[in-house]
Amino acid sequence: EIVLTQSPGTLSLSPGERATLSCRASQSVSSSYLAWYQQKPGQAPRLLIYGASSRATGIPDRFSGSGSGTDFTLTISRLEPEDFAVYYCQQYGSSPLSFGQGTKVEIK
Amino acid sequence: EVQLVQSGAEVKKPGESLKISCKGSGYSFTSYWIGWVRQMPGKGLEWMGIIYPGDSDTRYSPSFQGQVTISADKSISTAYLQWSSLKASDTAMYYCARQGRSGWYWGYWGQGTLVTVSS
Repeated sequence: EIVLTQSPGTLSLSPGERATLSCRASQSVSSSYLAWYQQKPGQAPRLLIYGASSRATGIPDRFSGSGSGTDFTLTISRLEPEDFAVYYCQQYGSSPLSFGQGTKVEIK
Repeated sequence: EVQLVQSGAEVKKPGESLKISCKGSGYSFTSYWIGWVRQMPGKGLEWMGIIYPGDSDTRYSPSFQGQVTISADKSISTAYLQWSSLKASDTAMYYCARQGRSGWYWGYWGQGTLVTVSS
């Protein structure tokens, strides 16, 4: 089973700043089958990125994903007020599927 | 428009059984995997299992194998998650989600069903 470790646990930033979130896998994620989700309080998760770097439909281009193998990154180039939320990575390259524990991006 | 509509919140006692549902619309229900995800209060997302409604092929996370049953009725475009004997630790929000076009990532989500198990 692939274990995903996200860091940091909490990121305190101001609107307009750049956010860099990390997701490290315990073993290589095949074919870069890595997705990122955003979840706001009281809402279902929303898909941001799939295939490590492909933006989902309707996702602003300030969100970008990169990485391969065991190290993946989600970057938010300039934080908007609506971007403060919890972010999860998920690997789907091997079964069982797995999520990281989440990174909370909070307003500084 | 793709939509997943889940059944409403449930309050149950330990030992009771429960079946919650997820109705898909706006797409070919038999052509995409449906997954179930647990979120315990204040915690992260946990993958429980997936089903392909076209042939009912089902895969479970080892953590949930034997604890829940995932099924689907393609005639009414509905997937199910059921428990035969609930525990207090099953208290959580449960989400269904539909896979994306090119893998087991989850592009569409239901609104969630809150299950509360308390004596």
